[in-house]
Amino acid sequence: NAGVMQNPRHLVRRRGQEARLRCSPMKGHSHVYWYRQLPEEGLKFMVYLQKENIIDESGMPKERFSAEFPKEGPSILRIQQVVRGDSAAYFCASSPPERGAVYTQYFGPGTRLTVL
Amino acid sequence: DAKTTQPPSMDCAEGRAANLPCNHSTISGNEYVYWYRQIHSQGPQYIIHGLKNNETNEMASLIITEDRKSSTLILPHATLRDTAVYYCIVRVRGAAGNKLTFGGGTRVLVKP
Repeated sequence: NAGVMQNPRHLVRRRGQEARLRCSPMKGHSHVYWYRQLPEEGLKFMVYLQKENIIDESGMPKERFSAEFPKEGPSILRIQQVVRGDSAAYFCASSPPERGAVYTQYFGPGTRLTVL
Repeated sequence: DAKTTQPPSMDCAEGRAANLPCNHSTISGNEYVYWYRQIHSQGPQYIIHGLKNNETNEMASLIITEDRKSSTLILPHATLRDTAVYYCIVRVRGAAGNKLTFGGGTRVLVKP
C-alpha cells in the first residue's frame, strides 16, 4: 500500500507567481490535512478536508491560500501571488475513517517551496 | 487539546534504550497521547498512540501513568537512524481532534 504522495517534492517560484501543491492520500483514506513548517520552526496545521468539503480551515492564512479535495483526483493546496515568507515545507497527511473515532494521520514526504 | 511538555534535547547511546518523557498534566478523559517523530527534512512519522493502557508495537513502547498526566516513549534499542525530533501530542477522540498541534518536541541524538 503506497504511502501519502506529494508532488512536486521541490518547487521554486518567483514572487507574484502561483504555487500548486498536490497530495494523493493513502488508498482508502478520505481525510486530508495540510501542515506548514517554516524554516527552523515546528509544524503548523493549516486545513482539514474530506472529499469535496473543507472541515476546518482555522490555520489557513486569510488571503492567497486555498485548498480543495475534489471527488476525483488529489488534494490541491494553492498559493496565489507568492511572497518570500511563503517559503517553507508543506506536508500533507491523510487518515482513514476508522471505527472507534481514532483518526491516525500518516504524513507524506512534503513539498519544499522556495520563493525567489 | 492539552498542552505537552518535553525536554528540548537528549542524547542516547546506540544500542541502549531511549526513554523520552512527556508531561500532559491537563489531559482530559477523551484525549489520546500520540507520538510522532521527524527525521531531518522528512515528513513526520507516526510511532504509537494510547489512551490509558500501555502500548507496544514494532517501533516502540508507550507507558502512560495511571493518572494519565505523563507518559514515556521507549525505543528499546536505539540506532543511529533513530536520531530525530520526537513529538508528544495530545488530541481529542473523534473527527474534532484532527488538528495535530506540534510543540517543540525532543531532539534525540543517538551516538555511536
